[in-house]
Amino acid sequence: ILNVEQSPQSLHVQEGDSTNFTCSFPSSNFYALHWYRWETAKSPEALFVMTLNGDEKKKGRISATLNTKEGYSYLYIKGSQPEDSATYLCAFEHRDSWGKLQFGAGTQVVVTP
Amino acid sequence: KAGVTQTPRYLIKTRGQQVTLSCSPISGHRSVSWYQQTPGQGLQFLFEYFSETQRNKGNFPGRFSGRQFSNSRSEMNVSTLELGDSALYLCASSLGGSRTMNTEAFFGQGTRLTVV
Repeated sequence: ILNVEQSPQSLHVQEGDSTNFTCSFPSSNFYALHWYRWETAKSPEALFVMTLNGDEKKKGRISATLNTKEGYSYLYIKGSQPEDSATYLCAFEHRDSWGKLQFGAGTQVVVTP
Repeated sequence: KAGVTQTPRYLIKTRGQQVTLSCSPISGHRSVSWYQQTPGQGLQFLFEYFSETQRNKGNFPGRFSGRQFSNSRSEMNVSTLELGDSALYLCASSLGGSRTMNTEAFFGQGTRLTVV
C-alpha cells in the first residue's frame, strides 16, 4: 500500500497572507505528482502535473515544488484571497501503474477576509 | 470543448439492488478512471480503462465493475449494493496514451449515490 500524506489537514489564512502545505509520497518508483484544487460543489481541477525532481511550477499566485529523492512536494499560495478557499489534493503516480492516481486526504484551506 | 459528463447526478437505491453510472469523457481522451469518495475518506481509486481495456485496478470488491466502449464512454456497475457504498463517484478522463503523454485528469461533477 502506497501512502500519500498531506499536512496540515486544514488551515485558516487571513486574506493577503501567504501559506504553504505539504504532500509526502513514496520516494521510489516515482512517475508523477499531481496537485488539484477542489472547491465545494465543483469538480476537482488540475493545478499542476510534476514529473522531474526539482520541478517548480507556477500558476498565478499558486506555485509548487517537487523533491522526488526525499518524496515531498510543497504548494504555496501567495497573497491568499477568499476565492482560494478550497481543498487542495495531491496525487501520486507510481512508475509501474501510471494512469492510476493515488490521492492524499487533502488540505482544506479557508481564507477569511 | 465539452467537459467530462456524468449521469445521473443523483441516485437513491435500496440495499441489494444494482446500479450503473455513466461517464462521457472529453473528446479525444481515451483514458477514463473512476474514484469513490466517502465521508472522511479521500478519493479512492476504483479502476482505469484505456481503449476498452482495464489498465489499472484499485482495491475494491468484485461487486464493483466497469467497462469502456469504443467511443471511450465508460460505465461503472455496482451489484448487491450495501449501505457503505453510499458515496460520491467521480470519473476523470485524460489523454493517457503512453508514458510520455501528460496524465492530467479532468473530472466530471460526480454521481451522488445514496443506498438506503
